[in-house]
Amino acid sequence: DAGVIQSPRHEVTEMGQEVTLRCKPISGHNSLFWYRQTMMRGLELLIYFNNNVPIDDSGMPEDRFSAKMPNASFSTLKIQPSEPRDSAVYFCASTGTSGAYEQYFGPGTRLTVT
Amino acid sequence: AQRVTQPEKLLSVFKGAPVELKCNYSYSGSPELFWYVQYSRQRLQLLLRHISRESIKGFTADLNKGETSFHLKKPFAQEEDSAMYYCALSGRTGRRALTFGSGTRLQVQP
Repeated sequence: DAGVIQSPRHEVTEMGQEVTLRCKPISGHNSLFWYRQTMMRGLELLIYFNNNVPIDDSGMPEDRFSAKMPNASFSTLKIQPSEPRDSAVYFCASTGTSGAYEQYFGPGTRLTVT
Repeated sequence: AQRVTQPEKLLSVFKGAPVELKCNYSYSGSPELFWYVQYSRQRLQLLLRHISRESIKGFTADLNKGETSFHLKKPFAQEEDSAMYYCALSGRTGRRALTFGSGTRLQVQP
């Protein structure tokens, strides 16, 4: 298994543009998480899904952010419109039903909004 | 609310010296505590969890409920231990999301 896959690995965009980040969890995992990492705030949970259903989106900063999980093997995080303060590394992680909450992380997407 | 505090952003030690990365948490119930590590150019990965009471790569961590701490320790640091270390907490039963601390960068000098 290639592990959690994220694309793109790097994204540079201009303020006001729409950005879509993608994640493919490990096959068989039923929980998926989106985190944001910044120097100032560290790793923050944005939203997580269980069996494709959003369980907790309280970490989503504002209405400009939205996330979907149309099926068990794919999720997107969209920012529209993007702002410079959205610049960060966005991680996706997944976990299965067994084990004590060990999360498997993707390589992250480094987003730069100019 | 649950919170994880890692007071040190950077910890620099010499090879062979003991290491202690501090982690304190705030949670009213019985938490699950973890240490995650991110080596240079690699993914964030689980290092150890308190319920396993195991030693991984020479690291151990004991949950101290009285002091609400979960410090990570290693008696003799190695250069390959240089990485970013995150303490994390899972609180509410059934809620699988983690609350992370801000991380501590460990630098082990030769």
